[in-house]
Amino acid sequence: GAGVSQSPSNKVTEKGKDVELRCDPISGHTALYWYRQSLGQGLEFLIYFQGNSAPDKSGLPSDRFSAERTGGSVSTLTIQRTQQEDSAVYLCASSLRTDQPQHFGDGTRLSIL
Amino acid sequence: GENVEQHPSTLSVQEGDSAVIKCTYSDSASNYFPWYKQELGKGPQLIIDIRSNVGEKKDQRIAVTLNKTAKHFSLHITETQPEDSAVYFCAASFYFGTGTSLTVIP
Repeated sequence: GAGVSQSPSNKVTEKGKDVELRCDPISGHTALYWYRQSLGQGLEFLIYFQGNSAPDKSGLPSDRFSAERTGGSVSTLTIQRTQQEDSAVYLCASSLRTDQPQHFGDGTRLSIL
Repeated sequence: GENVEQHPSTLSVQEGDSAVIKCTYSDSASNYFPWYKQELGKGPQLIIDIRSNVGEKKDQRIAVTLNKTAKHFSLHITETQPEDSAVYFCAASFYFGTGTSLTVIP
């Protein structure tokens, strides 16, 4: 069956521009997560959605970052006024619950010029 | 939130030897501990997981152990093969360690 799909796979943009990254989770998965992975680094937790509950935004690094999940399915991560330090791979994952395995997409590689 | 530490950051072993990766966590309420393998250009993939009501779990050449009292858990890979070379992450629920880059030398 279909896995987690992320788009675009690559995004190059100029400093100061806004970007939107999209994640299509596995159908039926109520939990959805966003992570940031800088080159050669670990996974930095950004935000987590669980069903209709308020999202856990505790990992968002600044107020330039926001995310929403519409209809309990597709999620969009938005970065406003991008900075060079935002360059990284942004990974999305989904799972049935937080105590179940996460299924990851292959990420969006974001490069800020 | 949860804090997960992982060691070592890099590990090189000869083919056929064993590899061990260790993690600690901070939140005693955590009860789910997955391990993921990440290959270049791909998202992490689950290789094995363990829950807090179990002390050890094995799947072929891979085993995990959990010590809830000490808040430690470990991944053991036996009879390593070149295709085991990758970055491995431990996690407590959805909080990840910093990763271990494993290289298996043929």
